[in-house]
Amino acid sequence: DVKVTQSSRYLVKRTGEKVFLECVQDMDHENMFWYRQDPGLGLRLIYFSYDVKMKEKGDIPEGYSVSREKKERFSLILESASTNQTSMYLCASSSLGEANEQFFGPGTRLTVL
Amino acid sequence: QKEVEQNSGPLSVPEGAIASLNCTYSDRGSQSFFWYRQYSGKSPELIMSIYSNGDKEDGRFTAQLNKASQYVSLLIRDSQPSDSATYLCAVEHSGGYQKVTFGTGTKLQVIP
Repeated sequence: DVKVTQSSRYLVKRTGEKVFLECVQDMDHENMFWYRQDPGLGLRLIYFSYDVKMKEKGDIPEGYSVSREKKERFSLILESASTNQTSMYLCASSSLGEANEQFFGPGTRLTVL
Repeated sequence: QKEVEQNSGPLSVPEGAIASLNCTYSDRGSQSFFWYRQYSGKSPELIMSIYSNGDKEDGRFTAQLNKASQYVSLLIRDSQPSDSATYLCAVEHSGGYQKVTFGTGTKLQVIP
């Protein structure tokens, strides 16, 4: 089975803190994605990566950065957390050429106070 | 116009009935389409993918694609209370970057 894991299920941080969200997949997938999901807005793509050290901005990259030093690991960084970044964060991975069937991790619910 | 549109629902159907979920999309060049199921508090789970016009069946699920009308649907036969969830339609961009746009989902309630 494809397995995507995320470092935390729940996280509470203070405004201005630097926040790291980690995602690991064990299926040797080339593509990895970070989304946030908010009520009424659905899933929105923050960043994605199609190879080690490669990254592309998604639809809402402002306030976020990413790192992919190893194929299996994709990190999302909030440089200075703000209250409007309170959300559910979902990581996904897919295999290049498999028509982009994405497999999701369990999600991290981040609250910024 | 949203890139992927779905009726938010809730769509309520009695147990044993057919549930019909619909999705329209704006990118005429899209070639790959997906349905995900998301239970409350859980992450999305891929249940169907479809790439060609017509129907694709998998157990109680049938995905239908009409590229000319830019329309994708998901039929769930013999609906069960365990099918109660939000169903997300997803469409791959035609730009070649392996990006997918998700609809906001339709909430399905199957009434016992």
